[in-house]
Amino acid sequence: DADVTQTPRNRITKTGKRIMLECSQTKGHDRMYWYRQDPGLGLRLIYYSFDVKDINKGEISDGYSVSRQAQAKFSLSLESAIPNQTALYFCATSDNTGVGTDTQYFGPGTRLTVL
Amino acid sequence: RKEVEQDPGPFNVPEGATVAFNCTYSNSASQSFFWYRQDCRKEPKLLMSVYSSGNEDGRFTAQLNRASQYISLLIRDSKLSDSATYLCVVTHGNAGGTSYGKLTFGQGTILTVHP
Repeated sequence: DADVTQTPRNRITKTGKRIMLECSQTKGHDRMYWYRQDPGLGLRLIYYSFDVKDINKGEISDGYSVSRQAQAKFSLSLESAIPNQTALYFCATSDNTGVGTDTQYFGPGTRLTVL
Repeated sequence: RKEVEQDPGPFNVPEGATVAFNCTYSNSASQSFFWYRQDCRKEPKLLMSVYSSGNEDGRFTAQLNRASQYISLLIRDSKLSDSATYLCVVTHGNAGGTSYGKLTFGQGTILTVHP
């Protein structure tokens, strides 16, 4: 079984709809992240969480919210989806045990299309 | 200026060729450096960390030049299976020397190895 899973894998929705993307991990990591990937722009950080009680905005958090329900679960919500939120969304985890140990493990991605 | 910049390519090389990618970063406080690999429509996966003294993993060699703020990846004896997008990634530390754990990605360099 995959260590980091995302649901759904693909979603098509309409402008104005509320969407939730879910991420679960079995790696036992404290840190979880949400990124979006757009062609030519690379991956950009939306939100990150270093533990259950810690939530932080990334570089492009506007229009998104997150919830860290448990160590293993981190969900991303689009309260009112708009077409420029069409992208590939990745969840990731890491276990920071010191400097230089920032390896992140990514889920398979969710392809979201907002019409 | 983007925080992490890569030549997007694409690089098209024959099997057996040697190919090199460069990446520059703008934040002199950057602390950890990595190359990730991303196959088409898949999640990024860590290829290798980049150490100050340079490091090698089989056919792959990574170099770091802190003074000039660039990172390189050299692939020798290219294989068809090396075709992918290569992502340059950096993290930043804080005054205490502990990494934040947040990654900043370059936009990626596309490599295609042909027979």
